[in-house]
Amino acid sequence: SQQGEEDPQALSIQEGENATMNCSYKTSINNLQWYRQNSGRGLVHLILIRSNEREKHSGRLRVTLDTSKKSSSLLITASRAADTASYFCATHPDDKIIFGKGTRLHILP
Amino acid sequence: DAGITQSPRHKVTETGTPVTLRCHQTENHRYMYWYRQDPGHGLRLIHYSYGVKDTDKGEVSDGYSVSRSKTEDFLLTLESATSSQTSVYFCAISMGLAGGFGEQYFGPGTRLTVT
Repeated sequence: SQQGEEDPQALSIQEGENATMNCSYKTSINNLQWYRQNSGRGLVHLILIRSNEREKHSGRLRVTLDTSKKSSSLLITASRAADTASYFCATHPDDKIIFGKGTRLHILP
Repeated sequence: DAGITQSPRHKVTETGTPVTLRCHQTENHRYMYWYRQDPGHGLRLIHYSYGVKDTDKGEVSDGYSVSRSKTEDFLLTLESATSSQTSVYFCAISMGLAGGFGEQYFGPGTRLTVT
């Protein structure tokens, strides 16, 4: 896998269900971030987790980080139609930032 | 979009012509970035700036140059546009936490088509 690769590429769930997407990376990192992008718009920062943190919450978002497995997961609970978007992880190894290709999330009514 | 504007929002240009995209911020943030977003590649960093007249290359800097003469403006120039530079270009800013690679705020994007 490349640095910052999301899985799955696309996900469709019913409104009200939880959505989980994963990010894997190759090299050690200083932090990992998750962003959301609505169609035709710029990215919006959701949450940043540092390499010495294991879990972080923000509203309906829960992010975990497992540095031993070089992976992170983003959980969105009680999904809403407005959560339909693409979600990107971004890793920060050394003096660079690398974005993954994203997970397209579609919330079905 | 966090006090960030990009101009133009859409541009169509011919191969071989120079093109300049402008990013303007009202947040007085130290760091500014230019990315391109292409299907199948995600978001890739072109250049970034960590202060007036201080810039550095990103992952895909060939064929691009940047300038920052004022805190609020960051210009991206395609010296001689090629069809491979057809893309959506995003500007971003940050306060510079985590060595400049912490939380970033993105502009609305510029869709550039090179014919």
